[in-house]
Amino acid sequence: EAQVTQNPRYLITVTGKKLTVTCSQNMNHEYMSWYRQDPGLGLRQIYYSMNVEVTDKGDVPEGYKVSRKEKRNFPLILESPSPNQTSLYFCASSIRGSRSEQYFGPGTRLTVT
Amino acid sequence: ELKVEQNPLFLSMQEGKNYTIYCNYSTTSDRLYWYRQDPGKSLESLFVLLSNGAVKQEGRLMASLDTKARLSTLHITAAVHDLSATYFCAVAGTASKLTFGTGTRLQVTL
Repeated sequence: EAQVTQNPRYLITVTGKKLTVTCSQNMNHEYMSWYRQDPGLGLRQIYYSMNVEVTDKGDVPEGYKVSRKEKRNFPLILESPSPNQTSLYFCASSIRGSRSEQYFGPGTRLTVT
Repeated sequence: ELKVEQNPLFLSMQEGKNYTIYCNYSTTSDRLYWYRQDPGKSLESLFVLLSNGAVKQEGRLMASLDTKARLSTLHITAAVHDLSATYFCAVAGTASKLTFGTGTRLQVTL
């Protein structure tokens, strides 16, 4: 089944404790992206990747890191999480970036205390 | 910087009624998407609109795109409770960035 998976689905952590949210897709898509969703703000793009070893900032990259060492995986790293990063995070992939529809993962709900 | 505005933000409508959700965007784009999100769930693709004048229909939903006016509409015909969800438009910008609207929460009541 074609899908985007994320882990963990739920995470409660404390300020400053490094964490990684994994994202994997099995559709051989070149483009992958991370979004955060906050009430009243819609989805905002954090980082995206056009291909292996090619990443670029979205609209809200501060406090986040990403890497793309393999085509199927695109982890999101929070080196020192803060409470303002409490949010619902979605990973997505597509064949041709914003030129084709995105396939979204199930979401990761992160709470930073 | 591309900005995308949706309105209304919240829409309560009775079953059987018609209504339209609007999506305005600030810079030129020829590609717009509509997504649906159920509470606690991920986003599901509804429509991909690829050119000026594009119209797509699926069941009681119809989406259109006017690139000259920088406007897309999502029209709901004879609403039913199952359409209750949050609807997002998303506009393709430069450099493979995708900008989402703030979403319209639709509540269909009996």
